[in-house]
Amino acid sequence: RKEVEQDPGPFNVPEGATVAFNCTYSNSASQSFFWYRQDCRKEPKLLMSVYSSGNEDGRFTAQLNRASQYISLLIRDSKLSDSATYLCVVMGDSNYQLIWGAGTKLIIKP
Amino acid sequence: EAGVTQFPSHSVIEKGQTVTLRCDPISGHDNLYWYRRVMGKEIKFLLHFVKESKQDESGMPNNRFLAERTGGTYSTLKVQPAELEDSGVYFCASSPQGVGQPQHFGDGTRLSIL
Repeated sequence: RKEVEQDPGPFNVPEGATVAFNCTYSNSASQSFFWYRQDCRKEPKLLMSVYSSGNEDGRFTAQLNRASQYISLLIRDSKLSDSATYLCVVMGDSNYQLIWGAGTKLIIKP
Repeated sequence: EAGVTQFPSHSVIEKGQTVTLRCDPISGHDNLYWYRRVMGKEIKFLLHFVKESKQDESGMPNNRFLAERTGGTYSTLKVQPAELEDSGVYFCASSPQGVGQPQHFGDGTRLSIL
């Protein structure tokens, strides 16, 4: 079993729709969680950290369920510019090493 | 504020040759990391520096890889001799002190071994 598992994708979604990404992680001792976004042939960029209480940044909402070891990302009113690969990332026991999911590619269609 | 910079952006070398990648972290970031993504796989951790010291090198694939961070500023990752399976994108990241701090990534070096 992979340490971080994501929906394989790709997601093909019309502009304006709501998109939900799911992620599960295997190490119950993990403490920090992130969503990164990666555009084609570019570096991963931090989209948002994920907190137990859930957090929102504009059209983006991230949630964490520690009991289920599950992380989600919701994008509302999707834009063409949201097209990218979304990576679920968990910080390991060491509190420094990032464990990466394979990513889910999102394609927003006009 | 300048971000993490990596050099070169691309490198194409033949099997058996040596390549050195460089990373300049964000100024003031004590933590520096190297990661690698080989085609079709997830990004994988290679190692972590705190200032000039190797904190964790558990992800280094073998002794053909040597990372240094003399003086605690920029870092180099040398592959010698390069093998075909070393092809991939090598990312460097940095973060400030503190547990759970997000890591900020450079553009990566795309390494192709022929």
